[in-house]
Amino acid sequence: EVQLVESGGGLVKPGGSLRLSCAASGFTFSTYSMTWVRQAPGKGLEWVSSITSTNRHPDYADSVKGRFTISKDSARNSLYLQMNYLRAEDTAVYYCARVFGDTSGWWGIDYWGQGTLVTVSS
Amino acid sequence: DIVMTQTPLSSPVTLGQPASISCRSSQSLVHSDGNTYLSWLHQRPGQPPRLLIYKISNRFSGVPDRFSGSGAGTDFTLNISRVEAEDVGVYYCMQATHSFSFGGGTKVEIK
Repeated sequence: EVQLVESGGGLVKPGGSLRLSCAASGFTFSTYSMTWVRQAPGKGLEWVSSITSTNRHPDYADSVKGRFTISKDSARNSLYLQMNYLRAEDTAVYYCARVFGDTSGWWGIDYWGQGTLVTVSS
Repeated sequence: DIVMTQTPLSSPVTLGQPASISCRSSQSLVHSDGNTYLSWLHQRPGQPPRLLIYKISNRFSGVPDRFSGSGAGTDFTLNISRVEAEDVGVYYCMQATHSFSFGGGTKVEIK
């Protein structure tokens, strides 16, 4: 069974930093690309960042580019999101999710974690 | 960036009756490999989203056959043939042709 468990969320002041982690199990983590998607309270889904199976070619939404860094550690079956210079508008539930597809590209997102809440407030 | 627009915002439906949700993209979702990477997701309150449909019309594992997807290019539709109580929640379309982006969501509720 595919399982994705996020951790590391919490309350942080504007300008602060936080590192989210996602522990993956139930599949061969090293062969999958992964992504972070967030959802502000009462709002829709917003893609944040993605990374390929080999921990290359990170991609970011314009809203977080230059402030967030995604990384993947296949030895630990873990995905990370380092978030710096946090703003109030970064307040959201952050979901770790698995990207599925084939050698030609990504087809979509098939499994999601339960999410971890990040609150940016003074 | 590709903008995904869903209609309606809200859809009150009667149990056992059909429901339909539309999704339009700001540009074609046909990938250079010829495929169209349009998915539909369902999110119940307090739960993460779950995948229903991928590549326009392919049902994901375990998804009931009352859910079906159709469309091409920039216009797509999710149909529920007979709505059941467990189908309430918010439905999102999502494209994966050019990075990822989501529609704003359609809330399905029982009349």
